[in-house]
Amino acid sequence: KQEVTQIPAALSVPEGENLVLNCSFTDSAIYNLQWFRQDPGKGLTSLLLIQSSQREQTSGRLNASLDKSSGRSTLYIAASQPGDSATYLCAAYTGRRALTFGSGTRLQVQP
Amino acid sequence: DVKVTQSSRYLVKRTGEKVFLECVQDMDHENMFWYRQDPGLGLRLIYFSYDVKMKEKGDIPEGYSVSREKKERFSLILESASTNQTSMYLCASSPTGANTEAFFGQGTRLTVV
Repeated sequence: KQEVTQIPAALSVPEGENLVLNCSFTDSAIYNLQWFRQDPGKGLTSLLLIQSSQREQTSGRLNASLDKSSGRSTLYIAASQPGDSATYLCAAYTGRRALTFGSGTRLQVQP
Repeated sequence: DVKVTQSSRYLVKRTGEKVFLECVQDMDHENMFWYRQDPGLGLRLIYFSYDVKMKEKGDIPEGYSVSREKKERFSLILESASTNQTSMYLCASSPTGANTEAFFGQGTRLTVV
């Protein structure tokens, strides 16, 4: 059974810092890995989808990488802003039973 | 843009009531999902559907049922609501295929009193 772990569980940084969020998964036979953002009390917003054949994806200040062999993905946020404060979730898709989610990293960017 | 719309943002129901949570997507996606999200437990899959009238149990189906009579609509039913079903419920949809993106609704915060 796929298990997804996110480290750290919470992170507080000053505005302007570059930061890395980590996601690891136990079953490397994934089809894709997706990163989401969740604001308090809201649904999930898709940020980036990395297909199994890709090593990274970029959208604006966000860059996500995927290393299937080591079972890891990272989300890099450049020049963090207070508006980036949210919970970030990664989810792995193995084609068997929808997405398997990590427990998330709660990010606070201090102005 | 893909839009997944859940019928209510907040609901308060009494114990024992039959509760319907509705979800509609506008992108002709084959797959639809219901998750619940609880502090410390993350997102857990309740049911999913890969076609009209088709459904499969997720990890925590007990106390729930689903209905998918039309491709765009996926309903979650709490047969007899209980306080331990107080939670955030999230609906999602995705196209069929290995490398496709899932999209979520805004969530329904259900409180059972």
